Amino acid sequence: QSVLTQPPSASGTPGQTVTISCSGSSSNIGNNLVYWYQQFPGTAPKLLIYKNDQRPSGVPDRFSGSKSGTSASLAISGLRSEDEADYFCASWDDSLSAKLFGAGTKVTVL
Amino acid sequence: QVQLVQSGPEVRKPGASVKLSCKTSGYTFTSHGLSWVRQAPGQGLEWVAWIGGYSGDTNYAQRFQGRVTLTTDRSTTTAYMELRNLRYDDTAVYFCARDEGQRLAKFDYWGPGTLVTVSS
Repeated sequence: QSVLTQPPSASGTPGQTVTISCSGSSSNIGNNLVYWYQQFPGTAPKLLIYKNDQRPSGVPDRFSGSKSGTSASLAISGLRSEDEADYFCASWDDSLSAKLFGAGTKVTVL
Repeated sequence: QVQLVQSGPEVRKPGASVKLSCKTSGYTFTSHGLSWVRQAPGQGLEWVAWIGGYSGDTNYAQRFQGRVTLTTDRSTTTAYMELRNLRYDDTAVYFCARDEGQRLAKFDYWGPGTLVTVSS
């Protein structure tokens, strides 16, 4: 069981907004930066959001990140079929002295 | 452009060791650390270990302590991960990823991954 908790799945129709949560604790999200990764089957993950809410160049502004207390969220607005992928949150954990990933959320576009 | 090129697939028997490589290019090797992240079939991502590009300092996930060793060769800007005493549940794709810092989780460039299969 992951220390960072994500819902296993989320879905929406094209154009809708889908939000994925990532719940942690004071030793990880509460005191450290959060990152989000997108992964398509058979490929390496891609950095989607860094430092809680920053987008690397090339990432559409449909993707946005936020953090409040010991939880973080990734929102995908204007959902498109090509957004169908797995999404992982990640953060450093002070107690474990380790980098952690959430278990991942599979986004399905209906 | 930043590139991470990983070594080819490996098959090992339980109890054996494997050493994977990650050849980097397109950036100053000593300015960034590098992490190894693995993904078992159908599973999520699991961080294995980190090594500093300049210092060579390492940080290993607790569950791999004593079984994994990270090294780098600055002359060839290549990083290596050796995993010993392999178990069936070590079967996974192992990714190397450029890592901004020891206490961060920012993996901004990834290699394509190396499949390690542990089978008798």
